Amino acid sequence: QVQLVQSGAEVKKPGASVKVSCKASGYTFNTYGISWVRQAPGQGLEWMGWTSANNGKINYVQKFQGRVTMTTDTSTSTAYMELRSLRSDDTAVYYCARDIATVTTNWFDPWGQGTLVTVSS
Amino acid sequence: EIVMTQSPATLSVSPGERATLSCRASQSVRSYLAWYQQKPGQAPRLLIYGASTRATGIPARFSGSGSGTEFTLTISSLQSEDFAVYYCQHQETFGQGTKVEIK
Repeated sequence: QVQLVQSGAEVKKPGASVKVSCKASGYTFNTYGISWVRQAPGQGLEWMGWTSANNGKINYVQKFQGRVTMTTDTSTSTAYMELRSLRSDDTAVYYCARDIATVTTNWFDPWGQGTLVTVSS
Repeated sequence: EIVMTQSPATLSVSPGERATLSCRASQSVRSYLAWYQQKPGQAPRLLIYGASTRATGIPARFSGSGSGTEFTLTISSLQSEDFAVYYCQHQETFGQGTKVEIK
């Protein structure tokens, strides 16, 4: 079955960086992009950006530009999201999701299990 | 930027009853809307895409309708496993969620 498995929880100090991995299985990795969505404690879902899995195209939400890098490794069917200069308000669960896009719309299916990133001094 | 607004924030429903959740877009999104279910401690799960198409494995008691700016997710007869938070999504924007709780 189609599955995304993410790396484990991280605890980081303010100013540090974190890199979350998302390994895909059950489908041809380079036929869909990967989106990253985060969820702060008790809050809703916030889309962070998208990366293609076949041509290097990316699309980041403006608020994260300059701090985030999303990449893919087709040899291992793995996507990565690196967030730098971490702040306490970056504490959240970070999800990867397969981004199923048509010409006009998109949806996310499936999602990884989530990676809790805690930023604390 | 399109804003997605869900209502109500919390819906109290008894098991077996019908639940109706709303999602409004600040401008027309045609039928380009998805719905997700999220249970505590779990990742979201796709329920509906294209406003009304059930995702693989989703029970028939879940149905989506609407187009333009007004959308509805209906759960025809709530089961215990349906108590969760539901989000609508259009492109990069999610609604703030509706929590369906046991009455």
